[in-house]
Amino acid sequence: GAGVSQSPSNKVTEKGKDVELRCDPISGHTALYWYRQRLGQGLEFLIYFQGNSAPDKSGLPSDRFSAERTGESVSTLTIQRTQQEDSAVYLCASSLFPGNGYTFGSGTRLTVV
Amino acid sequence: DQQVKQNSPSLSVQEGRISILNCDYTNSMFDYFLWYKKYPAEGPTFLISISSIKDKNEDGRFTVFLNKSAKHLSLHIVPSQPGDSAVYFCAASGPDSGGSNYKLTFGKGTLLTVNP
Repeated sequence: GAGVSQSPSNKVTEKGKDVELRCDPISGHTALYWYRQRLGQGLEFLIYFQGNSAPDKSGLPSDRFSAERTGESVSTLTIQRTQQEDSAVYLCASSLFPGNGYTFGSGTRLTVV
Repeated sequence: DQQVKQNSPSLSVQEGRISILNCDYTNSMFDYFLWYKKYPAEGPTFLISISSIKDKNEDGRFTVFLNKSAKHLSLHIVPSQPGDSAVYFCAASGPDSGGSNYKLTFGKGTLLTVNP
C-alpha cells in the first residue's frame, strides 16, 4: 500500500483481556518496527523484524507482549492479560533499509480500563 | 536512563520568526540523528537528518545543527509558519554491541506552537 496501515485506530479493553494490534507495512519494506508512546513519554522501542532473520525482541516490556510477522508483510502485536500501564499509542513503522527512512503508521491508541 | 533528552516540553513563537528546538544525547555511540514531526492522531513523519560526520544539514526552511563535543543538536525553522505547529521528536541511532544500527532512540518531544 501507499503507507503503513494500522488497525484498529482505537481500542478500549478491560484489564485482563488480550488484545491484538495489526500492522500492514509498505510493500517491499523488509524492516518493520513496533514502538509505543505512553502519555508524556517519548517513543519506546518494542520489537524489530528484518526479513527472515530472528526478530530483535529486546524492547518488549514483559512476557505478556509478543509479536509475529508473516514473511515481509503483516505483523501483529499481541498483549495478553492487559494492564492499565499498557495504555499507550502503539506505532508501527517500516523501512526499505534498516535504521533509515522509517515511515510510521497512524498508530493504535490502546486504553485499558 | 534517558539517552535522548528534549528538555523543553513546549515552545511558542510568532509567525515569521525563528523556532529553535533543542536536543541533547548521552550515548557517544550515536552517529545518526533525525527529527520527526507529529500532528495529533497521526504517526510521526520524517523531517530532516544529519550524520555525525557533518555539523549542519539544511533543507528549505529547516536546518539541523550538530555539536558532537557537546552532544547537542538543534533544529531551526525559519521562517516559522502556523502549519509548523506540531510535536517535534529528536531521535538518534548508532551501532549497538552487535554492530547493528537500526533502533531509533527518541526524546519525549517538544510541542511547537506558531502563533499567527
